Amino acid sequence: ILNVEQSPQSLHVQEGDSTNFTCSFPSSNFYALHWYRWETAKSPEALFVMTLNGDEKKKGRISATLNTKEGYSYLYIKGSQPEDSATYLCASESNYQLIWGAGTKLIIKP
Amino acid sequence: SAVISQKPSRDICQRGTSLTIQCQVDSQVTMMFWYRQQPGQSLTLIATANQGSEATYESGFVIDKFPISRPNLTFSTLTVSNMSPEDSSIYLCGASGASGGTDTQYFGPGTRLTVL
Repeated sequence: ILNVEQSPQSLHVQEGDSTNFTCSFPSSNFYALHWYRWETAKSPEALFVMTLNGDEKKKGRISATLNTKEGYSYLYIKGSQPEDSATYLCASESNYQLIWGAGTKLIIKP
Repeated sequence: SAVISQKPSRDICQRGTSLTIQCQVDSQVTMMFWYRQQPGQSLTLIATANQGSEATYESGFVIDKFPISRPNLTFSTLTVSNMSPEDSSIYLCGASGASGGTDTQYFGPGTRLTVL
C-alpha cells in the first residue's frame, strides 16, 4: 500500500518570506508526482507534474524538485504573498492510481 | 483544460437522510472520479464513474452507500445514502482525459457536507 506524507501539516509564513515544504512517497513503481494548490471554496488547481529524477519545474514564484530515488519532492515559494494562502496537495502516481497526501496548509501573514 | 462545477457547494443534513451531489464538466472527458476528504485526512478516491456502466469502487466503499450515475461524458452524480456524522466531509468530483499516464486531473470546487 502506497503512503504519501506531507509535512508540515500547516505553516504560517510572513508576507515576503520564502518557504518550502515536503512530499514523501514510496519510490517503488513510481510514475509521476503531482502538485496541486487548493484554495478554500475553489477547485484544486494543478501546479506541476514531474516524472524524472532530478526534475525541477517553475511557475512564477513557485518551484518544485523531485528525487525519485529517495522518494521526496520539495515545493518552494519565493517571496510569499497573501494570495499564496492555500492547501498544497501532492499525489504520487503509480500503477495508474493517484495516492494523495493530506496536504500542507499555508497561511501567509500580512 | 476542463471546468467542473458541483452542486450543492455545501449542505447540512440530518442523520439517516441522503444527499445527491451533481458534477458537470464543460467538455467531454474520459474519466470522472469521486473523492472524499475527511477533516485532516488525505483525499481518498471513492470510485471511478464509468459512462454507461456501473462505477468502479475502491476498497471500503460500496454501491449501496455511494450510488453513482454517469449518464453521459460530461455529467455524474454521487449520492451519500443513509448519512451519519462520519460522512461529514468534502466531496470532490474529478475528471481527466484518458486513463492512466500523467494526464492532469481537474476538479470541481467540492461539496462540503455536514451531517448532524
